[in-house]
Amino acid sequence: GQNIDQPTEMTATEGAIVQINCTYQTSGFNGLFWYQQHAAEAPTFLSYNVLDGLEEKGRFSSFLSRSKGYSYLLLKELQMKDSASYLCAVRDGGNNRLAFGKGNQVVVIP
Amino acid sequence: DVKVTQSSRYLVKRTGEKVFLECVQDMDHENMFWYRQDPGLGLRLIYFSYDVKMKEKGDIPEGYSVSREKKERFSLILESASTNQTSMYLCASSTRGGNQPQHFGDGTRLSIL
Repeated sequence: GQNIDQPTEMTATEGAIVQINCTYQTSGFNGLFWYQQHAAEAPTFLSYNVLDGLEEKGRFSSFLSRSKGYSYLLLKELQMKDSASYLCAVRDGGNNRLAFGKGNQVVVIP
Repeated sequence: DVKVTQSSRYLVKRTGEKVFLECVQDMDHENMFWYRQDPGLGLRLIYFSYDVKMKEKGDIPEGYSVSREKKERFSLILESASTNQTSMYLCASSTRGGNQPQHFGDGTRLSIL
């Protein structure tokens, strides 16, 4: 089975940088996804990591350390529209099913 | 763009009713998934399917069944609805390949009275 842990909520100021952490325990790690979910909307895909290191996509970056069972999502130059829940999901083994964390609610204030 | 369409955004049913939630995707994806999302519990996998006519249990299959008669359509069935099945239900699809993300529908908010 899997155990995925994320902090529940954080508040940050517009223009700032925020780091959202995710730790996981899984028997057969095979990739980690980050999703963004606005209130009452579907989750949308942000990033994917399978090898150690940093993946950068515009204002969003995601980091993975497989040996530590740890990932973070970095949001730079925060905008009000970044207020959302950020979900970490781990792919375990050779199938395509994902195990999701409970999500981290980010609130951006002016 | 991938389009995953769920038949209803909001649905109200009564205890004991048989409830059908429909999901259709237009990208010829092999994999389809049904989740429920509850406050404090996150997304939990109910059932998934890798191909037509096949299904696999997820983490919380009790009280649910599924049907995949055509590749583009994946139905979730509540055999006899109960109040603890009041939830947001999300359907997702993906193509094969470990780095392929799942694409989600807008969800169905189901209330069982």
